[in-house]
Amino acid sequence: AQTVTQSQPEMSVQEAETVTLSCTYDTSESDYYLFWYKQPPSRQMILVIRQEAYKQQNATENRFSVNFQKAAKSFSLKISDSQLGDAAMYFCAYRSWAGGTSYGKLTFGQGTILTVHP
Amino acid sequence: GAVVSQHPSWVICKSGTSVKIECRSLDFQATTMFWYRQFPKQSLMLMATSNEGSKATYEQGVEKDKFLINHASLTLSTLTVTSAHPEDSSFYICSAKRGQGPNQPQHFGDGTRLSIL
Repeated sequence: AQTVTQSQPEMSVQEAETVTLSCTYDTSESDYYLFWYKQPPSRQMILVIRQEAYKQQNATENRFSVNFQKAAKSFSLKISDSQLGDAAMYFCAYRSWAGGTSYGKLTFGQGTILTVHP
Repeated sequence: GAVVSQHPSWVICKSGTSVKIECRSLDFQATTMFWYRQFPKQSLMLMATSNEGSKATYEQGVEKDKFLINHASLTLSTLTVTSAHPEDSSFYICSAKRGQGPNQPQHFGDGTRLSIL
């Protein structure tokens, strides 16, 4: 079974600064997806960024970028120019490429609460 | 706009009653839907995978008779918490997978806050 670990329960950053959230995972599969989701106080799950394991290039979405290290099974999220609206709980998640009865299910890390200071 | 609608968003009921939560995909057919449970400031834990026209696949430790899942159509899955007790109080979130391929995205509902008195 796959596991996802986020070792930082809480992080804080000053507005306009950069912060990096860590995530490691364990899997025996070679093909999979990795995600970062944001959950603000409204508790809606918002997809931040997605990475396909077969792609060597790190995904980027505006101020959000990842550092994907497949051999090390590491998938960190960098938020540049942090804004007050970035404050939320962030979850790293894994999804298998393979089929099966639970095809497409997400395995989430424990989450990191990000506080942005003005 | 939201592509997955979850209803109700908040429900309070007495211990011993049953509560039904609906998850609808609004503009696509979802052959697979997922039900998660989340305690405050904790992660989302998958409860079960709901496949249209077949029985749900429950994760280890989830009581099938307590959490009844029905996926009667390609746009609707329901979770019924039977004989609910205070320990069932939690935040329940559904998600729906668009399409069959591995590259298809997953869309989340806004969640249901369940409080059992």
